[in-house]
Amino acid sequence: NAGVTQTPKFQVLKTGQSMTLQCAQDMNHEYMSWYRQDPGMGLRLIHYSVGAGITDQGEVPNGYNVSRSTTEDFPLRLLSAAPSQTSVYFCASSPTAGGPGYGYTFGSGTRLTVV
Amino acid sequence: AQKITQTQPGMFVQEKEAVTLDCTYDTSDQSYGLFWYKQPSSGEMIFLIYQGSYDEQNATEGRYSLNFQKARKSANLVISASQLGDSAMYFCAMTNRDDKIIFGKGTRLHILP
Repeated sequence: NAGVTQTPKFQVLKTGQSMTLQCAQDMNHEYMSWYRQDPGMGLRLIHYSVGAGITDQGEVPNGYNVSRSTTEDFPLRLLSAAPSQTSVYFCASSPTAGGPGYGYTFGSGTRLTVV
Repeated sequence: AQKITQTQPGMFVQEKEAVTLDCTYDTSDQSYGLFWYKQPSSGEMIFLIYQGSYDEQNATEGRYSLNFQKARKSANLVISASQLGDSAMYFCAMTNRDDKIIFGKGTRLHILP
């Protein structure tokens, strides 16, 4: 049981480049989301999805796109990377957004540096 | 809009003492959930405990308990008999009817031997 798998673990991009952070879960979870973690800022929600075909914006969506064509996958696309997007990115999933004991299962994170 | 506030950026506690990490929240919804997560220096996020807004009793999980005071909109995490392995970053989080799960900025806990 792999849980939530994020790839890559580390990435260096040049300003203006695009890339996709991959996230896959094998737990048949309906709810998936992307966060970025910056020092002193905690985790900030970028985008989330309550099921296949449904996505919505979080707190800091600008510069990022998502899609949810299957229950298992929730990729995050950086359209034109900027140094301000240097961060650690976490993907997380849950059976539902919130309910008794339904904590998130997090991926191991992707450390992205934009130069 | 929902909001989570953790006012303690860092705390130092002697080993074996009890620890209380503060969390206040703001929401206009009556139905919501509150979570605590631990992030050790290795970086992974570990789910600790959950409290639903309609739960009448405080949630407990082993050495962790959540001191839920609904009228004050607080959801403090209490760690009993702290251990060196409790040194980590701790995040309070909240979800409500709009399906977003929002995190606070975290409290870094240092357990001293």
